[in-house]
Amino acid sequence: DTAVSQTPKYLVTQMGNDKSIKCEQNLGHDTMYWYKQDSKKFLKIMFSYNNKELIINETVPNRFSPKSPDKAHLNLHINSLELGDSAVYFCASSPQPYRTGFGYTFGSGTRLTVV
Amino acid sequence: AQTVTQSQPEMSVQEAETVTLSCTYDTSENNYYLFWYKQPPSRQMILVIRQEAYKQQNATENRFSVNFQKAAKSFSLKISDSQLGDTAMYFCAFMKPRPIQGAQKLVFGQGTRLTINP
Repeated sequence: DTAVSQTPKYLVTQMGNDKSIKCEQNLGHDTMYWYKQDSKKFLKIMFSYNNKELIINETVPNRFSPKSPDKAHLNLHINSLELGDSAVYFCASSPQPYRTGFGYTFGSGTRLTVV
Repeated sequence: AQTVTQSQPEMSVQEAETVTLSCTYDTSENNYYLFWYKQPPSRQMILVIRQEAYKQQNATENRFSVNFQKAAKSFSLKISDSQLGDTAMYFCAFMKPRPIQGAQKLVFGQGTRLTINP
């Protein structure tokens, strides 16, 4: 019954590898997001999709590519992983367009460690 | 661009005490939304309370209440009768009123680590 589910919860990988994180929401929301939480706990938006369309793309390296096969799923693929990519990645969703300002529902996060 | 500042990196109180976490923000918008999120050690981000800027009345949710001072751009969180389960990182966040093609960006502060001691 998890509203926003991310897999995997933990991911340890070597530098240079390619990895994906999956996210699914069963809330019927139209908009989904990826946020990165760094080692100092700071949360920053990376991407946002609305009904499979990319809406927000903050200054993120091209090695990060989001993919939304349908509005309930937003996956994050990362190529050529670097040490600095180690962080917790959160998926979130929000309802729209008329229900603005209700905040997000977050997934439980994926802790990515690059060694 | 909007910025959110939480000036208290860490706070610690005894169980049952009242604690207030500070948050200030910078925006040129007249209407917007403000949030407090809690992140316990489990890492889950949990919405604690929400305030709409055009509402004068401060939001409350059980033991959690806010002191919203629009002119001062201040949005503090008060936790009454604190419990051990309140131990967590607390994040203040700002959201503009109008979505960009359906997407609304949440801008977070740096967080305050709150510890409730038995």
